[in-house]
Amino acid sequence: GAGVSQSPSNKVTEKGKDVELRCDPISGHTALYWYRQSLGQGLEFLIYFQGNSAPDKSGLPSDRFSAERTGGSVSTLTIQRTQQEDSAVYLCASSLSGTGVRQPQHFGDGTRLSIL
Amino acid sequence: AQSVTQLGSHVSVSEGALVLLRCNYSSSVPPYLFWYVQYPNQGLQLLLKYTSAATLVKGINGFEAEFKKSETSFHLTKPSAHMSDAAEYFCAVSASDTGRRALTFGSGTRLQVQP
Repeated sequence: GAGVSQSPSNKVTEKGKDVELRCDPISGHTALYWYRQSLGQGLEFLIYFQGNSAPDKSGLPSDRFSAERTGGSVSTLTIQRTQQEDSAVYLCASSLSGTGVRQPQHFGDGTRLSIL
Repeated sequence: AQSVTQLGSHVSVSEGALVLLRCNYSSSVPPYLFWYVQYPNQGLQLLLKYTSAATLVKGINGFEAEFKKSETSFHLTKPSAHMSDAAEYFCAVSASDTGRRALTFGSGTRLQVQP
């Protein structure tokens, strides 16, 4: 389809392992966002990419979290040495332009991450 | 900085009744405001947005919201609830200037529709 695609849809892993979550934005969308949705914290911003500009990493909760966006398209969110508090749904969104914040963000269905 | 407060984590209405979901915002610059809906195991779907044009905004599925600057509110309404409206609803704000682009979300309101 033409929407934001995230994979995997579900991920179960053991505490201490590294995980990679993938986001494929809508074609032509230059802005890409990662959010985390958890029971205790609601929806939290993690990181934002806009074109070739330096990403806004102000929402990353610790240095175990990192993200990259290759070729201005697909993005990968990596969590190293996972902890149980990392269990959440990780949502990716994209929009036409970050400079025009009128443009709404379109969300994927998320990756549900469970840390055992 | 921006913030959003959604009053009522759970709202229950009867089918055919008025739906009113409350959202108040705080923003140091003129805000852009959004309502999103989330169905179980799905991402967020945009219902409507306010971006400084008309203060009464119409969205999908019969929903609308009115921006009231004096009350710093952006409440979501629908005249007649349908069973398919049962979902979680999120109000969100972003800055209209060149500041932070990301959305700041409220804590969400779960709407239950009784037959």
